[in-house]
Amino acid sequence: GAVVSQHPSWVICKSGTSVKIECRSLDFQATTMFWYRQFPKQSLMLMATSNEGSKATYEQGVEKDKFLINHASLTLSTLTVTSAHPEDSSFYICSARSGLGNIQYFGAGTRLSVL
Amino acid sequence: AQSVTQLGSHVSVSEGALVLLRCNYSSSVPPYLFWYVQYPNQGLQLLLKYTSAATLVKGINGFEAEFKKSETSFHLTKPSAHMSDAAEYFCAVSRGNEKLTFGTGTRLTIIP
Repeated sequence: GAVVSQHPSWVICKSGTSVKIECRSLDFQATTMFWYRQFPKQSLMLMATSNEGSKATYEQGVEKDKFLINHASLTLSTLTVTSAHPEDSSFYICSARSGLGNIQYFGAGTRLSVL
Repeated sequence: AQSVTQLGSHVSVSEGALVLLRCNYSSSVPPYLFWYVQYPNQGLQLLLKYTSAATLVKGINGFEAEFKKSETSFHLTKPSAHMSDAAEYFCAVSRGNEKLTFGTGTRLTIIP
């Protein structure tokens, strides 16, 4: 099956610093990648959709200058949380979809704790 | 607009008993429907999907779901619960290659 690798799995940072999360599709080319945020015991909230080589499309209410998304290749997308604050602490999950189907394959998630 | 409603945020069943997790959808066009499972501190794993083929869909780990257009439902079932089935389950809907819309999730607890 398709594998999506997300790194790091857990990161702790100081308030005001930036954190980069990587999402890689290991055995397929992901024309589209998605970034979600999940609060404890809640569902997934789509933050943005990124297509390789183009600017990400952000959902309403998501600050694009705070959550920078880059999808530079067909196998890699990154989410950078800039000037992180404690309220940014959350579980971030990426998913990837190939151009051949409509199934999203998910990474294992990144737990971000901002002190 | 599409949406899914998962009835019951928390379901408990005894080991060996039937598992039934409910999902109802709303979609203006024929939907694609999915069930995902999430174990603690992990991402989502696809259990099964419906994409307008057979209405009874079999997935991994003994789960299956039946698409019922007349009831706008896509309930997830498993004949006999196992302790390892304890997890959070999410129903999701999409329209073709558009984004997924998730339900609020159902936490399944298995009683020994």
